[in-house]
Formats: sequence, structure tokens, C-alpha cells
Amino acid sequence: QKEVEQDPGPLSVPEGAIVSLNCTYSNSAFQYFMWYRQYSRKGPELLMYTYSSGNKEDGRFTAQVDKSSKYISLFIRDSQPSDSATYLCAMIQGGYQKVTFGIGTKLQVIP
Amino acid sequence: GAVVSQHPSRVICKSGTSVKIECRSLDFQATTMFWYRQFPKQSLMLMATSNEGSKATYEQGVEKDKFLINHASLTLSTLTVTSAHPEDSSFYICSARGAAAYNEQFFGPGTRLTVL
Repeated sequence: QKEVEQDPGPLSVPEGAIVSLNCTYSNSAFQYFMWYRQYSRKGPELLMYTYSSGNKEDGRFTAQVDKSSKYISLFIRDSQPSDSATYLCAMIQGGYQKVTFGIGTKLQVIP
Repeated sequence: GAVVSQHPSRVICKSGTSVKIECRSLDFQATTMFWYRQFPKQSLMLMATSNEGSKATYEQGVEKDKFLINHASLTLSTLTVTSAHPEDSSFYICSARGAAAYNEQFFGPGTRLTVL
């Protein structure tokens, strides 16, 4: 079993839709959770960074962490064609440990 | 966020040659830099971790004599792929972490290596 599971998609939605991206993990030692956006042939860009269970909002993006279920989500409201990219979840145990990435979900927002 | 650059963005080389990729943190001091490899439709795979002034720590299965990493300063790390072969063709991405934000990594734009 992989430490981090993420559906690779692709996920296609119409412009303006609410997008829900998810990851599950098996290692209860993970404490810090990130979401990265990666455009084709580019490096990942940090979108959201969370520590505790609950919600964190930043503009159109909301990150949700449920440590009891080992489940994290990223919601994108009012999705735009420019949101079309691959979204990678990532997590870390903390204490300068290495980051473990999900495989990434490819999102396409159709105008 | 912090800016990390990589050079070159794309390189094509002949089999058997060596290729050097540079990773620079432009507006912060990177105490730790990471080198990743990403194959199509796969996630980022950590190759090695380097701390300034120390030898790099390689992940299991990564040949340290083939992938030479040098982290000579707080703003520069280099990855040299020695005697490159077609199977080394991949997307190489570096990331950097400063001392203050010990969990946040900032990624470079990546280098596409094609070995003919």
C-alpha cells in the first residue's frame, strides 16, 4: 500500500464549477499537509500549507484536513480555465523529514 | 513565496556525456536543497537531500556516483548526471528550504533532460 493515495484523474469540469480533490494516507505520523499545483513541464507551486485538522481558506481555495480519517481535500470554487493543471498533495512528518507526494490529479476546466 | 531558479530548462545530450544542472535560491538562503526526478504520469521521486557544506544523502536505489550533487553555497546546488544514458531522460526538479520555514519547500521550474 502506498503511503499516499491520490486519484490521477483526469478530472474535467465546466468553468465555474466547484472542484474537489482528495488524498488519503496511511501514515498517522504525517503532521503537515500541502497542496501543490503543477502546470505542464513546470515545477510545482505551493498553493496551501496546513497543520491541524480543519479548514484553511485562501481566496478560491480551501484545504481541509481530517486526521482521524487520514483524508485531505482541496476545494476550488468558481473554477477557471487557468486552474487547469495537475494538483499534487504532499505531506511530511515534520522535524525536517522528507516530503511524500501523491501522484497528482490532472484537472481540466473547460470554458 | 520564495523564488528558486534552475538552469538549463531543457538539455539534449548524447549518450555517454555528462550534464550539469544548477539550482539557485534567488531571494533566500537555502540551508537544504532537494533533487527530484519525475517521469511522465508519475509523482515526484526524491533522489537526494543536500545540506550546504555537507555531502548529499541519497535515497535508496539512487547511484551517488552517477548523480553527483554539490551544495557549495547557501544559494546554489548542482546536480551532475555523469555518463548519461537514454534511461536517464526525465524531468529533474530541485527544491529549496530555508532555515526559518523548515517544512516549506519551494520548487524550481525543472529541467527536461533528453539523452539520445
